[in-house]
Amino acid sequence: ETGVTQSPTHLIKTRGQQVTLRCSSQSGHNTVSWYQQALGQGPQFIFQYYREEENGRGNFPPRFSGLQFPNYSSELNVNALELDDSALYLCASRTGGMDYGYTFGSGTRLTVV
Amino acid sequence: SQQGEEDPQALSIQEGENATMNCSYKTSINNLQWYRQNSGRGLVHLILIRSNEREKHSGRLRVTLDTSKKSSSLLITASRAADTASYFCATVPYGNNRLAFGKGNQVVVIP
Repeated sequence: ETGVTQSPTHLIKTRGQQVTLRCSSQSGHNTVSWYQQALGQGPQFIFQYYREEENGRGNFPPRFSGLQFPNYSSELNVNALELDDSALYLCASRTGGMDYGYTFGSGTRLTVV
Repeated sequence: SQQGEEDPQALSIQEGENATMNCSYKTSINNLQWYRQNSGRGLVHLILIRSNEREKHSGRLRVTLDTSKKSSSLLITASRAADTASYFCATVPYGNNRLAFGKGNQVVVIP
């Protein structure tokens, strides 16, 4: 199946807990990025991986970390959750260089209480 | 901080009318892309225009880019109710390899 799949769709966690969000990209999509989108805002870049190595990071603290795997899947880990981490987390992948558009997943809605 | 800034932020039009959205950015870019988002779900890539291009078409979409003014516009012709969504412009800044999004335009097409 083509496309980008994210899991879970929704998640509720307690402040201070840790969470792992998962993404499965299309075969051949060597670049994967993660974004955080607060309600009513545009997505904010968290970090990007290319062939399993991080090659770009946005203005997010170290408690946001990630991994990319050889099977085109990736994950976003967030430690010590804060209330402000409540947002839609989007995974996006692409093949080729920067002149290609990204394919986005439907996102994981994280609520921290 | 957000790279792109769309204007206007909310637009309500009748079905069949054209919808125009503008986007401005601050730094030199490699390309500019437009995405659509329905009801807070994933974004859908609409069109990409490179920094050396001035205009591009895709179906009912027309995008322009003016690098001297650091601005872009997206025109949707003959709008349909299914075009109701939020539209985001995103730049790939020069020397960078990430998307920098604006705040988005909410477009409502009334049947």
